[in-house]
Amino acid sequence: EDQVTQSPEALRLQEGESSSLNCSYTVSGLRGLFWYRQDPGKGPEFLFTLYSAGEEKEKERLKATLTKKESFLHITAPKPEDSATYLCAVQETGGFKTIFGAGTRLFVKA
Amino acid sequence: AAGVIQSPRHLIKEKRETATLKCYPISRHDTVYWYQQGPGQDPQFLISFYEKMQSDKGSIPDRFSAQQFSDYHSELNMSSLELGDSALYFCASSAPLGELAGNNNEQFFGPGTRLTVL
Repeated sequence: EDQVTQSPEALRLQEGESSSLNCSYTVSGLRGLFWYRQDPGKGPEFLFTLYSAGEEKEKERLKATLTKKESFLHITAPKPEDSATYLCAVQETGGFKTIFGAGTRLFVKA
Repeated sequence: AAGVIQSPRHLIKEKRETATLKCYPISRHDTVYWYQQGPGQDPQFLISFYEKMQSDKGSIPDRFSAQQFSDYHSELNMSSLELGDSALYFCASSAPLGELAGNNNEQFFGPGTRLTVL
């Protein structure tokens, strides 16, 4: 059965303190691995899609990487506005069922 | 461009009542997804539709049903509501793969419907 595990559950950073969030996944065939950002009471907002091991994508202070078993979301020099829950999700080949991880709650203090 | 629209935004029901949630996907998107998100929980996949046909089912209770109509809008029907059904219900849509420039197969989420069962 498809599984997505994210760590840590929560992460507190000082502004400018870089770190990484981990997403470990188990899927029989990967259609895509997704990173979303979610603010309280709002719908998830798309960040990245990764399709194959070795792929990397960047957007502003965020960089996502993918291996065969896990993905990392690297946050460089975070700002308080980066505070949110970051969700990782996978889709298996041949379908649209999307499995989300429990998320990492990021708090960035000024 | 307009995003995914969900209605109502808030809904309060009594136990054992029924509820209908509506979702209007982004124009030209051919896939619709429904998720349930409890407080402090991750979004749980309920069901998806591709080109108006049910494509995948997740942890959707038998008391719930959903359909997608000819205009691509979708409805989630919930019967015999229980206290545990209280949650945020999100609808998302995605574009046909390869047909739109920059398509990352991402899902665009609506603002959600907050269902409270008393």
